[in-house]
Amino acid sequence: DQQVKQNSPSLSVQEGRISILNCDYTNSMFDYFLWYKKYPAEGPTFLISISSIKDKNEDGRFTVFLNKSAKHLSLHIVPSQPGDSAVYFCAASVFVNTDKLIFGTGTRLQVFP
Amino acid sequence: NAGVTQTPKFRVLKTGQSMTLLCAQDMNHEYMYWYRQDPGMGLRLIHYSVGEGTTAKGEVPDGYNVSRLKKQNFLLGLESAAPSQTSVYFCASRASAHYGYTFGSGTRLTVV
Repeated sequence: DQQVKQNSPSLSVQEGRISILNCDYTNSMFDYFLWYKKYPAEGPTFLISISSIKDKNEDGRFTVFLNKSAKHLSLHIVPSQPGDSAVYFCAASVFVNTDKLIFGTGTRLQVFP
Repeated sequence: NAGVTQTPKFRVLKTGQSMTLLCAQDMNHEYMYWYRQDPGMGLRLIHYSVGEGTTAKGEVPDGYNVSRLKKQNFLLGLESAAPSQTSVYFCASRASAHYGYTFGSGTRLTVV
């Protein structure tokens, strides 16, 4: 039972345009969400997070939006750069049980010139 | 500042062989985790530890054992390797429950 789902395995975007990566979750107890970025042959690195008390969090070119009623979050990258090409994982945890994260299946983003 | 170090980086095992993957962190983190990454499956939690001397099962613990005898080390053992355990294994650590993970660079294991 996949509690965190990323339904798009891949996304291709032109440099300078917006990249939108989506993530859905089923567990209504999740209240802390994170995005990780992974390059080949490297471990995932933390990108941005959001608590359920917010609906938006911004860090430079990266913005995460949370829609709790739809159990949906999205990561916006504006403008997209070739160096953003990587696999992006969303992850979620339950505040009262924050000893582990549940990860989605990942979306491979390719930014082309 | 090494962060999280995994050894070995690559390994090929024959079915039935045993091996131990080592994860070491130098950040004095309390929490440590072992994940496996498989195509189309994302990162799945195998076992984790919330402190020295503690371990707990994750989503896919069968066929693996772990030990956290020292705070800085988290060992993942395969007693009798199976081809289904062919995967990339990632170790991660974090200071406390409200901080993001720091991941190691992974161990690519192939069981033939």
